[in-house]
Amino acid sequence: GAVVSQHPSRVICKSGTSVKIECRSLDFQATTMFWYRQFPKQSLMLMATSNEGSKATYEQGVEKDKFLINHASLTLSTLTVTSAHPEDSSFYICSARYGGGAGDTQYFGPGTRLTVL
Amino acid sequence: QKEVEQNSGPLSVPEGAIASLNCTYSDRGSQSFFWYRQYSGKSPELIMFIYSNGDKEDGRFTAQLNKASQYVSLLIRDSQPSDSATYLCAVNTGNYQLIWGAGTKLIIKP
Repeated sequence: GAVVSQHPSRVICKSGTSVKIECRSLDFQATTMFWYRQFPKQSLMLMATSNEGSKATYEQGVEKDKFLINHASLTLSTLTVTSAHPEDSSFYICSARYGGGAGDTQYFGPGTRLTVL
Repeated sequence: QKEVEQNSGPLSVPEGAIASLNCTYSDRGSQSFFWYRQYSGKSPELIMFIYSNGDKEDGRFTAQLNKASQYVSLLIRDSQPSDSATYLCAVNTGNYQLIWGAGTKLIIKP
């Protein structure tokens, strides 16, 4: 159980285009999902927290107009990188909140590697 | 500011030995503690979690929690080359977000 999928796994796009990444919880409902970014040899960086049916909460320094998040159902959250530039090239990983109480944790999708040319 | 600290490593351990990974946290109100493993180029995967003082064993892995000293550790017995990865410590301080350590790189030498 607790499987999270992410699509696409890899995307290459031209500068100025928009890219949408999907994150799905396959065997459980996730009222909360998280979006992370990770540059090579660096730590996970939380970008935003996505709550079903409400606006996402962005971490300081993350542009909400550039990274659009939609969490329209209990199993799907999407991240759209708008007007992507080479500096947006990174490994984007989503996770879904699972469980409750002391066992409240996150399960991760396999990640999306974005390359902007 | 709530913090989770780990030695970045790399920690080099011979195959078959016990690997010991440590993590300290600043918030005394922290409730549960998680260990994730991340292979290079992959996303993190949950190994185990612990919320009571003491030891919790799962196969070759043992998590140890000491709330008084504010540290949590992960022991890997009979280390294998396939255990070579970065190990991330994460702490739930009472809301649904996790506070992450920067990770310890573990290298198991054959």
